[in-house]
Order: sequence, then structure tokens, then C-alpha cells
Amino acid sequence: GESVGLHLPTLSVQEGDNSIINCAYSNSASDYFIWYKQESGKGPQFIIDIRSNMDKRQGQRVTVLLNKTVKHLSLQIAATQPGDSAVYFCAENQEGGKLIFGQGTELSVKP
Amino acid sequence: DTEVTQTPKHLVMGMTNKKSLKCEQHMGHRAMYWYKQKAKKPPELMFVYSYEKLSINESVPSRFSPECPNSSLLNLHLHALQPEDSALYLCASSPQTAPLNYGYTFGSGTRLTVV
Repeated sequence: GESVGLHLPTLSVQEGDNSIINCAYSNSASDYFIWYKQESGKGPQFIIDIRSNMDKRQGQRVTVLLNKTVKHLSLQIAATQPGDSAVYFCAENQEGGKLIFGQGTELSVKP
Repeated sequence: DTEVTQTPKHLVMGMTNKKSLKCEQHMGHRAMYWYKQKAKKPPELMFVYSYEKLSINESVPSRFSPECPNSSLLNLHLHALQPEDSALYLCASSPQTAPLNYGYTFGSGTRLTVV
């Protein structure tokens, strides 16, 4: 069935470097995507979202890129900090408010 | 108030017990959701309530019974659970189910252990 997936299950970066987390989605009709950060023992925390009529959206230290041609989504984190260590999920909306989550990427930041 | 509050944070229950999970939001959102998350896995949708009415049930076993008493509250009643039901149960809310826009907010979850 339709699913959202991530290319890498783990990512280790040096503090201060930029991080890029990727996500592939399969439902070409999806029109809204969200990136969440989940720290251990906590619920998913909204980071940034993007609608399908956009290619790029920027927030504070984060940028989301959407390539509808290849159905690919990425999250870029600038100047990664130890506090960015967490699991990152992309999520794709489906009918009725349902979010389909990717498998997640665990980001580890080395000091 | 921009939070979704879940209680309790932790719950241990026996397979013959009856317990309830509670979720509350005061953002004026009219859609509320229950998700289940196993360790090292993404959240999976269980139920969707839209304007206090159940709109989606993802074929969840009847031992899980949702209830939406009003637009701010969402409960999940548990009865005769199995050890494999142990998981993090997440509540979420959004302004509406469609169109889905900014504001899909999750609570911190209830860590449930069934013994």
C-alpha cells in the first residue's frame, strides 16, 4: 500500500555541521507534509511543514525541500547542535486527517 | 494554551483491568486523534474524531474504546488488554481534518505496560 519511507535509519554528524534527512513518499496525491522531532520519552514535536504547491520552506535553522517529480522530501538542519539529537519523522497527510509516518531517522550529534 | 495534555504519563495494568487514558486540548481544535507507537517504530493511527464524532477507526480491536465527551476531551477506554498492547499511546489534535494545515499537535503520550 501507500507508504512514506526514509532512506537512512541513522545519521551521525559533528556538532556545527549541517544535517540532511531524507524521505520518500509514494502517494502522488498527498498535498501536505510535516517533519516531526521526537526525543526519548516524548511525543512528536512539530518542526516544519510544507504544502505541495511549494518547493521549499525555511524556518529557524531548518529547511524543508519538496521534489514532487521524484516524490522526495528532505529536512536540512543548519549548524547542528547536541540538542538536535532525536528521531526525525516525516509525515504525509491522507484523507480524513490521517498522518502516515515514515520509519524515522535517528540523528546523533557528536560534540 | 498550545498544548495537548495526556494523563497519566505512565500506566501499568493487568490483563483483566479496566483503565482509561485521557487527553485534553484548549486550542479550539475540532479534530482529535489517537495513535499507537511501539518502540523504535513510527506512530500508527488508531482513531479520528471530527466535531466529536468518530470518523475513522483503523480496524482497532474492540478492547480499545474511544470516547469524545466534548470538543476539548478525548478518552481511550482499555479493557482486557494483551501484553502486546504495551506501547506509547499518543493523542493529537488539529483545527480540522480537512484541509489539513498548520497545527497538528501531539501530546507527550501515555506509556502503557500490560502485565
